[in-house]
Amino acid sequence: NAGVMQNPRHLVRRRGQEARLRCSPMKGHSHVYWYRQLPEEGLKFMVYLQKENIIDESGMPKERFSAEFPKEGPSILRIQQVVRGDSAAYFCASSPPAARDAFFGQGTRLTVV
Amino acid sequence: GQQLNQSPQSMFIQEGEDVSMNCTSSSIFNTWLWYKQEPGEGPVLLIALYKAGELTSNGRLTAQFGITRKDSFLNISASIPSDVGIYFCAGIEFNAGNNRKLIWGLGTSLAVNP
Repeated sequence: NAGVMQNPRHLVRRRGQEARLRCSPMKGHSHVYWYRQLPEEGLKFMVYLQKENIIDESGMPKERFSAEFPKEGPSILRIQQVVRGDSAAYFCASSPPAARDAFFGQGTRLTVV
Repeated sequence: GQQLNQSPQSMFIQEGEDVSMNCTSSSIFNTWLWYKQEPGEGPVLLIALYKAGELTSNGRLTAQFGITRKDSFLNISASIPSDVGIYFCAGIEFNAGNNRKLIWGLGTSLAVNP
């Protein structure tokens, strides 16, 4: 059973471009969480999704950021018109329904130049 | 957003020493989770606690779910250099509709001197 897969592992974007981060949850997992982490800091919650449904997006910036988890395919975190302050590691975690734990991917490190 | 109080913030110890770290909250949780994160990697789940008072071990790691359901601690015995990393606690609360929210501590950074 493969773990949570995130790609790409590293992403470089110029200011103003779009960044698309992908997360394939573990098999059987229908819940996905996205987190952002700055160097030397903890994990900051962004959004919690189930298939085709956003449960909690209280941590998402109001502009430029969006997330989806379609019926088929990976969850996507999309950042439009990136700025230098978007540079960070973005992690996703997944869990099955009714589970009380969550497993993380290895993250995507976004660098905006 | 809500965060757990995790302490200490960092520790620098000698190989072979025991380590203890804890998390406290003003809210009651149904589940406590402990993760370890190494540089450049994602957090890895170490121990999950599901019942108040529960004491669970995973090798040299032991964690307990506090009786009040507002705290948890993690102990590492006989530390070794590969224990280096950042340890995070997380509490799970269930919202209406059985949706889960993970609340995180800010992490304890552990350095082990060989």
